[in-house]
Amino acid sequence: QKEVEQNSGPLSVPEGAIASLNCTYSDRVSQSFFWYRQYSGKSPELIMSIYSNGDKEDGRFTAQLNKASQYVSLLIRDSQPSDSATYLCAVTRNSGYALNFGKGTSLLVTP
Amino acid sequence: ETGVTQTPRHLVMGMTNKKSLKCEQHLGHNAMYWYKQSAKKPLELMFVYSLEERVENNSVPSRFSPECPNSSHLFLHLHTLQPEDSALYLCASSEGTGRLNEQFFGPGTRLTVL
Repeated sequence: QKEVEQNSGPLSVPEGAIASLNCTYSDRVSQSFFWYRQYSGKSPELIMSIYSNGDKEDGRFTAQLNKASQYVSLLIRDSQPSDSATYLCAVTRNSGYALNFGKGTSLLVTP
Repeated sequence: ETGVTQTPRHLVMGMTNKKSLKCEQHLGHNAMYWYKQSAKKPLELMFVYSLEERVENNSVPSRFSPECPNSSHLFLHLHTLQPEDSALYLCASSEGTGRLNEQFFGPGTRLTVL
């Protein structure tokens, strides 16, 4: 069974710190990776996508991918209380439509 | 606003009712999806349509029936539901597969089955 694993948290970081969110996946054929943010009572919002090994930066967000280790992470620099949400990792094969989602990591940024 | 709208936003129904959820995307995407999100569980893919054709079979009870009349609209017809079907039902759309599979979600329909 293809699985995406995330620590459920909550991960608590102080305002201004770096939050590090991790995700592992079991399907070695996975080629595309996505991070979504979901506020309580809202729908998931796409914040980052990554397809190649290495780092991809977008503002305060950096996604990191290591296909050999089947590991993808999301770093949030200068964390703000407004970043408090659940972060969902999703992976997919190039040939399929299905995104396999993890259960998400709850992040709490404290003032 | 992601360009994907869903109605209704909230729905309460009895087990003998028939209701429908509606989704519309204004992004020009080719693929549309229905997901179920229950507490403490990952998002579950229910149905996928690409260019109005259903693709990727998933095990979904027959009391859920999808319909995709065109590439911008997707429906989920509900009948004889069970209380365990209470969940957030999310619609999403994407351009395609792989790197085109950035999926954008609608606001969801919160369904309660009594």
